Amino acid sequence: TQLLEQSPQFLSIQEGENLTVYCNSSSVFSSLQWYRQEPGEGPVLLVTVVTGGEVKKLKRLTFQFGDARKDSSLHITAAQPGDTGLYLCAGPTGAGSYQLTFGKGTKLSVIP
Amino acid sequence: DARVTQTPRHKVTEMGQEVTMRCQPILGHNTVFWYRQTMMQGLELLAYFRNRAPLDDSGMPKDRFSAEMPDATLATLKIQPSEPRDSAVYFCASGPGSSYEQYFGPGTRLTVT
Repeated sequence: TQLLEQSPQFLSIQEGENLTVYCNSSSVFSSLQWYRQEPGEGPVLLVTVVTGGEVKKLKRLTFQFGDARKDSSLHITAAQPGDTGLYLCAGPTGAGSYQLTFGKGTKLSVIP
Repeated sequence: DARVTQTPRHKVTEMGQEVTMRCQPILGHNTVFWYRQTMMQGLELLAYFRNRAPLDDSGMPKDRFSAEMPDATLATLKIQPSEPRDSAVYFCASGPGSSYEQYFGPGTRLTVT
């Protein structure tokens, strides 16, 4: 079973600060996805990274896939209260299946 | 705006009762997933359907859980009998079947007393 470890588990920061959260594995993934889950809602897909070393930007969010495709990071610049939520990374469980394995997430609180 | 819908949003029941959760996947999506989310375990895959056929339900306790897709617009997850340890949020997600993108419903929060 391919496992995804996310760190930190919890993060509380002030509005305007920058932060980075991490998603690590000992296994190689063909792609990784990042989801954000707000309280009382289901996860929402933010981005999929496919190529080792790939960097994708979504407004103030920057996603990077490690060169070896075993890890990924999410950097948020000038965090806002609207960024509050649970950030989950997910990767395919195996060839020929569209199943995903999820990390346990980083719970981010941005304090106004 | 296509969305996955789930009913009910909240369910409180007593131990031993049957619980049925329903999901309407996004029209045109041919993969459907049922997940359970708890603080301790995170998101766990319970069952996976492709073109309405169950392909993987290895994450589901077989003695009390069952998942079906009576038609392309309805997926159900049943627990009988329910136990307090089943208390969790249950999510349904659907996907186009051509990529790993999954679109989640808002979840059913189940409390078994």
